[in-house]
Amino acid sequence: GENVEQHPSTLSVQEGDSAVIKCTYSDSASNYFPWYKQELGKGPQLIIDIRSNVGEKKDQRIAVTLNKTAKHFSLHITETQPEDSAVYFCAASMDNDMRFGAGTRLTVKP
Amino acid sequence: DAGITQSPRYKITETGRQVTLMCHQTWSHSYMFWYRQDLGHGLRLIYYSAAADITDKGEVPDGYVVSRSKTENFPLTLESATRSQTSVYFCASSRGLAAYEQYFGPGTRLTVT
Repeated sequence: GENVEQHPSTLSVQEGDSAVIKCTYSDSASNYFPWYKQELGKGPQLIIDIRSNVGEKKDQRIAVTLNKTAKHFSLHITETQPEDSAVYFCAASMDNDMRFGAGTRLTVKP
Repeated sequence: DAGITQSPRYKITETGRQVTLMCHQTWSHSYMFWYRQDLGHGLRLIYYSAAADITDKGEVPDGYVVSRSKTENFPLTLESATRSQTSVYFCASSRGLAAYEQYFGPGTRLTVT
C-alpha cells in the first residue's frame, strides 16, 4: 500500500515568517493530495488539496506544490499568524486508498 | 445540528470489556470512515463504509467491528478492549472513497486500563 512520510515532525517559526512542511509518497499511482489542519481538541479539517494534473495551488496565505516525478509535495504558509499553530497532516490517495502522514506540529510564536 | 458528531467524547474502560463508539452525520454522505490517531502514526484507517450494509477493512481492523444499518450512523465496537486500543478515534464522512474531502468529527478519547 501507499506510504507517506512527513517532515518535520515539529516546526517553530516567528510570527510573520514562512513555514514549509514536506511529504513524500511511495505509490506513483496516487493522484490526490490533501492537507488537513487539526486544532487542539478538534478533528482535522481540510485546508487545501491538489490533484496530480496540477503542479501548484494557492489559497491566500497557503500554497501546495506537487512534484510527481520526485513523488513529493509541500505545504507553504506565508506570513504566519499565531492562529496557524496546529498539527498539519498531509495525505496521498489513489482510487480506493488514502494514507496520512504522521503530522507536523507547527507553533507560531508571537 | 448539521455536521458529524461522535459520542462519547471521553471514555475509560477496562481491559476485556466491550465498548461502542457512536458516529452520526447529517449530510447523507455515502462514505463513512473510522480512524485512530496515535502519536507518531498520524491517522490510520480502521474500517470504512460505502453505503448502508457495505463495510470494508482499512489498514488496522483487528479487534474492531463496525456496522451500518442506516446511512447516517456508523458505530465502532471494540469487542474485548485491550490497552493497545487506547487512542483517539475519529469518525469521518465523505462523498467519495479516496479523492474527496473528508469531514471529521470531534473525536473520542478512549482509555483502556
